[in-house]
Amino acid sequence: ETGVTQTPRHLVMGMTNKKSLKCEQHLGHNAMYWYKQSAKKPLELMFVYSLEERVENNSVPSRFSPECPNSSHLFLHLHTLQPEDSALYLCASSQGRGGKNIQYFGAGTRLSVL
Amino acid sequence: GQSLEQPSEVTAVEGAIVQINCTYQTSGFYGLSWYQQHDGGAPTFLSYNALDGLEETGRFSSFLSRSDSYGYLLLQELQMKDSASYFCAVRVDTGGFKTIFGAGTRLFVKA
Repeated sequence: ETGVTQTPRHLVMGMTNKKSLKCEQHLGHNAMYWYKQSAKKPLELMFVYSLEERVENNSVPSRFSPECPNSSHLFLHLHTLQPEDSALYLCASSQGRGGKNIQYFGAGTRLSVL
Repeated sequence: GQSLEQPSEVTAVEGAIVQINCTYQTSGFYGLSWYQQHDGGAPTFLSYNALDGLEETGRFSSFLSRSDSYGYLLLQELQMKDSASYFCAVRVDTGGFKTIFGAGTRLFVKA
């Protein structure tokens, strides 16, 4: 148990669906992250939130829309996805964004887009 | 650009020692971390090196050479449960901190 919980663990959706991924951290951290993990590729950082403010958006298509209502919760809203968006989506949190920056990850949501 | 290289797969025998290398080409290098991820699980932090040398944590050790842009993770007395993916991650400061992950090394431990 890492203190970061992601739901759902698995999601299958069609290209016209709208769904949301949820992440909750119980560690009192003030920074949260969304990553995309594809097989045999480096983790791709998608979004970073610090103190509920988006501070980084790494050229992610607009069909991915993040939301951070408070420091403990992070959402990723999905709409009109493409099959190449199928991947494991990981959420992470950390205390601050500077220095050593140990990140605590959730187990991820395995997304399949049909 | 910023890049990291690590082997895609390593196989070793239970009880043995294995070394997973990571070389990087980055600007603004600040430190090197290692994470472990079991199949279906969350990546978990293992170690962090900011200075040259060896850091030991139980059966796992991590080494850094800043002059060689190189580091490694050393796993001793391998156990079956060590079968997992291991990611090196470089921490850089280029006017703002970023963490850049490698593609991961899949470790298979055989009986």
